[in-house]
Amino acid sequence: KQEVTQIPAALSVPEGENLVLNCSFTDSAIYNLQWFRQDPGKGLTSLLLIQSSQREQTSGRLNASLDKSSGRSTLYIAASQPGDSATYLCAGWRYSSASKIIFGSGTRLSIRP
Amino acid sequence: DTEVTQTPKHLVMGMTNKKSLKCEQHMGHRAMYWYKQKAKKPPELMFVYSYEKLSINESVPSRFSPECPNSSLLNLHLHALQPEDSALYLCASSQDGGAGRDYGYTFGSGTRLTVV
Repeated sequence: KQEVTQIPAALSVPEGENLVLNCSFTDSAIYNLQWFRQDPGKGLTSLLLIQSSQREQTSGRLNASLDKSSGRSTLYIAASQPGDSATYLCAGWRYSSASKIIFGSGTRLSIRP
Repeated sequence: DTEVTQTPKHLVMGMTNKKSLKCEQHMGHRAMYWYKQKAKKPPELMFVYSYEKLSINESVPSRFSPECPNSSLLNLHLHALQPEDSALYLCASSQDGGAGRDYGYTFGSGTRLTVV
């Protein structure tokens, strides 16, 4: 059973749009969440980390929020650019297993010029 | 230095070859990880080293042999691999196993391995 779910699996939008990527987790014991970006064939680049004591984090055009009560996190991308095209992965930790980050399946984002 | 460096970037090996993947970080992180990633799938954990000791082995076949010679270096020795082992191998590090959840992971750019 998928513990961390990302919807949609793929998304294509025109340049300039604001967009939201969703991450939901079924395990209420997941408490910290990290968003990553991955370009094809490349490693993971950390975008934002939200600790359980925080509700959101911002970096430039990116804003990530975490709502543990509903088991959801969102990544908001403002004024999207073709360079934002990549796969976006969310990942979380359980209290009980700090060494095992649990990944979602990712959202493949394409920004059309 | 805020990077995790992996070498080589690409590797093609035969099923009878022995090769090694290398991962290095100079951030003072004490936990290091090996992940395997197949196309269009999320990374899968293979091994975790914490303070240079192997703390987690996710039932990985013995043809994969990890080694942590010191706190900055992590190797993955490969022997008698199968074509289905072809994948992107990612190394990651965190301050330590517990702090990883508070400060996050840093990933390398990966080694693209092809077994022929």
